[in-house]
Amino acid sequence: SQTIHQWPATLVQPVGSPLSLECTVEGTSNPNLYWYRQAAGRGLQLLFYSVGIGQISSEVPQNLSASRPQDRQFILSSKKLLLSDSGFYLCAWRGDKGGAPLVYGYTFGSGTRLTVV
Amino acid sequence: GESVGLHLPTLSVQEGDNSIINCAYSNSASDYFIWYKQESGKGPQFIIDIRSNMDKRQGQRVTVLLNKTVKHLSLQIAATQPGDSAVYFCAEPSYYGGSQGNLIFGKGTKLSVKP
Repeated sequence: SQTIHQWPATLVQPVGSPLSLECTVEGTSNPNLYWYRQAAGRGLQLLFYSVGIGQISSEVPQNLSASRPQDRQFILSSKKLLLSDSGFYLCAWRGDKGGAPLVYGYTFGSGTRLTVV
Repeated sequence: GESVGLHLPTLSVQEGDNSIINCAYSNSASDYFIWYKQESGKGPQFIIDIRSNMDKRQGQRVTVLLNKTVKHLSLQIAATQPGDSAVYFCAEPSYYGGSQGNLIFGKGTKLSVKP
């Protein structure tokens, strides 16, 4: 079965420090992978998605970047964190649920709570 | 559409009552919808989905209704329990350009169950 791992669960970082959040998927190959951010009491904002190794699409301009060095690994990074980068970061992968029309299911990781101080 | 900057609307119900959470969509070509449940501090979890060739689908204590005429979706939870307290999101795949297939989330509704 497919699983998704995301770490760390919580992180407190000072302003100006670098960031690296990692997400890995098991049990599937060539998945579409996603990074979402959620501010407290708000909805989900899509930050980046990737359809394959080295392929990154950014949905919103920001202080963050993403990379996909391996098929089942997706990394969210920043060189210098801002206070506004605080939030709950979620990784997700998209699986094919089949049927007609073809539809997909998203599975989310457990999230990383980032607090920039 | 996506409303990530808005505070979540809230719904408060008594334990044992039925809950109805609503969602509106704008694209008449939308053909697939998903409901997710997100408990505090956790990632969203799949609850139930529905294709546009159906107007109703039932799961365990949950029912999703789709009204394509008015582009409205609802999630009904029967006999609401304290464990149902969470934020509920509707979602649909994007149909536009390079984002095709990516999920677009509604603004979410926070459900609070009073014992």
